Amino acid sequence: AQSVTQLDSQVPVFEEAPVELRCNYSSSVSVYLFWYVQYPNQGLQLLLKYLSGSTLVESINGFEAEFNKSQTSFHLRKPSVHISDTAEYFCAVTVPLNAGGTSYGKLTFGQGTILTVHP
Amino acid sequence: GAVVSQHPSRVICKSGTSVKIECRSLDFQATTMFWYRQFPKQSLMLMATSNEGSKATYEQGVEKDKFLINHASLTLSTLTVTSAHPEDSSFYICSASNGITRDTQYFGPGTRLTVL
Repeated sequence: AQSVTQLDSQVPVFEEAPVELRCNYSSSVSVYLFWYVQYPNQGLQLLLKYLSGSTLVESINGFEAEFNKSQTSFHLRKPSVHISDTAEYFCAVTVPLNAGGTSYGKLTFGQGTILTVHP
Repeated sequence: GAVVSQHPSRVICKSGTSVKIECRSLDFQATTMFWYRQFPKQSLMLMATSNEGSKATYEQGVEKDKFLINHASLTLSTLTVTSAHPEDSSFYICSASNGITRDTQYFGPGTRLTVL
């Protein structure tokens, strides 16, 4: 079984400051990793994902995450946050169901990190 | 693209009644749909996985006779909470994936169920 730990339940930062949201996972097999964002009163939206290839993945709104297999981590970073980044962020892991890796099993979520950006 | 809707967004019901929640994929065919439950200040917990036209697979500890899931078409799955009790009050979220980009789940906005 897989597990995900998000070490910080809440992260307050000031606007334009850098931020890192930490995520560590546990699995005995290779995994796919995801970051989802949930804005107030909205559903989860996929922010970025790591399936294979380059260990550094980026989103369209300036976030990036790096897969570190040796440290079993997938931390999310942004060099300069905006007020609009205020949301809850969930790290999730899944295991490819087949060798081709095009399908996958259930998502296991971390506890979530509430990012609050202050002016 | 890849929009998933849920209806209703909020529902309040009396203890002992049944409540049906709908999950629809609006612009793609969802071969697989997932139902999650989220308690306050906690993460999402998978309840069950359903593939169109077949019985749902429930996670350990989830009562399949209490949480009835139907995935009769490629765009609609329903979750029925039968004989609801106050402890069933929670935020229920569905997600869907299609046969092409099966590595990504698209989530609905969730349904807040309150059982009095």
